[in-house]
Amino acid sequence: KAGVTQTPRYLIKTRGQQVTLSCSPISGHRSVSWYQQTPGQGLQFLFEYFSETQRNKGNFPGRFSGRQFSNSRSEMNVSTLELGDSALYLCASSLAGGTGEKLFFGSGTQLSVL
Amino acid sequence: SQQGEEDPQALSIQEGENATMNCSYKTSINNLQWYRQNSGRGLVHLILIRSNEREKHSGRLRVTLDTSKKSSSLLITASRAADTASYFCATETGGGYNKLIFGAGTRLAVHP
Repeated sequence: KAGVTQTPRYLIKTRGQQVTLSCSPISGHRSVSWYQQTPGQGLQFLFEYFSETQRNKGNFPGRFSGRQFSNSRSEMNVSTLELGDSALYLCASSLAGGTGEKLFFGSGTQLSVL
Repeated sequence: SQQGEEDPQALSIQEGENATMNCSYKTSINNLQWYRQNSGRGLVHLILIRSNEREKHSGRLRVTLDTSKKSSSLLITASRAADTASYFCATETGGGYNKLIFGAGTRLAVHP
């Protein structure tokens, strides 16, 4: 089985722009979650989607949004980029997002905001 | 905000030695998981221990959980250079939906 695929691998944007990141989960996985990783704050949960519905959300401003399509692929969007949004954005998938499920992570998208 | 603290922050050992990493957390948990991350890449799941378990083994990995002390440890025996990575503990506190709270991680360097 192919793993979790994230595109693009690297992105450079300027403040005020918006960005869309893409994630294709492992075939058969219906839960997709997103995490932000920075040197200062570490790994932080952004949100989780299952069957095109957001079921859980972390403590991030409304500039961070996401969606999931009927084929379980997911996108996240960050609007009005700020310097502090520079981070590695990781997508993870699992079968259904149930308690104790193993997460499979993609290699991430490294976003740099200038 | 991070649930857990890990120590040490960095660990440097020789091949063949054992590596022990510790994780403490603040609230009651359903389970605790350990992940490995090679430099700037995605995380790889290593092992999961449920709140009603005290010890678990997987290959060269041994995980313990002490819910009374809200702490866990990961032991890697007979370390190899390929074990060089950052190791994170992650807690799941309830409800599933893949909301894991990660510790700050331990950077392990294994020298040949």
